[in-house]
Amino acid sequence: KAGVTQTPRYLIKTRGQQVTLSCSPISGHRSVSWYQQTPGQGLQFLFEYFSETQRNKGNFPGRFSGRQFSNSRSEMNVSTLELGDSALYLCASTRTGSSGNTIYFGEGSWLTVV
Amino acid sequence: DQQVKQNSPSLSVQEGRISILNCDYTNSMFDYFLWYKKYPAEGPTFLISISSIKDKNEDGRFTVFLNKSAKHLSLHIVPSQPGDSAVYFCAASQGASGTYKYIFGTGTRLKVLA
Repeated sequence: KAGVTQTPRYLIKTRGQQVTLSCSPISGHRSVSWYQQTPGQGLQFLFEYFSETQRNKGNFPGRFSGRQFSNSRSEMNVSTLELGDSALYLCASTRTGSSGNTIYFGEGSWLTVV
Repeated sequence: DQQVKQNSPSLSVQEGRISILNCDYTNSMFDYFLWYKKYPAEGPTFLISISSIKDKNEDGRFTVFLNKSAKHLSLHIVPSQPGDSAVYFCAASQGASGTYKYIFGTGTRLKVLA
């Protein structure tokens, strides 16, 4: 079973530009969530989508947005990039369990803003 | 406000000995907890989880203990191996409610010395 796939793996953008990251969840997983990882901050929750609807949102500015398509694939977009947006962006899909839901991460997209 | 805390940023253990990684949380509504391992340049890998109805869960060399009254969980790795050297994150959610939002700690870097 293929894992969570994220593209691109690495990218460099300039301040003020925008970026779109893509994620394909594990087959059969309908929930996709996004996290940002920066040094010393751990993984910060961005948002979660289920059946094309955003169900949960973290404490990030409106420059961060996302969407989910009917095939459960998801994209996240960051507009007007700032230097502080440089981070590893992780996508995760969720397996539902009887006692709790387990998330499985992709390899991540490394974004560097210069 | 950091709802999930990993107060030890790093830990060194001799190969073959026990590694104990700790995690504290403040939100008593959390009822599902997970541990992830992360190597550099890779996404986090799911290790083990525990529901709040249990106080212990084992999977091979990995055991997670949950002390709900102290709002504390720990991951024990026995015996520790050099390949276990990685950053370990604990995460918490209100899994039983169907919330797919996970709060992560800032991670503990484990180094297993050969």
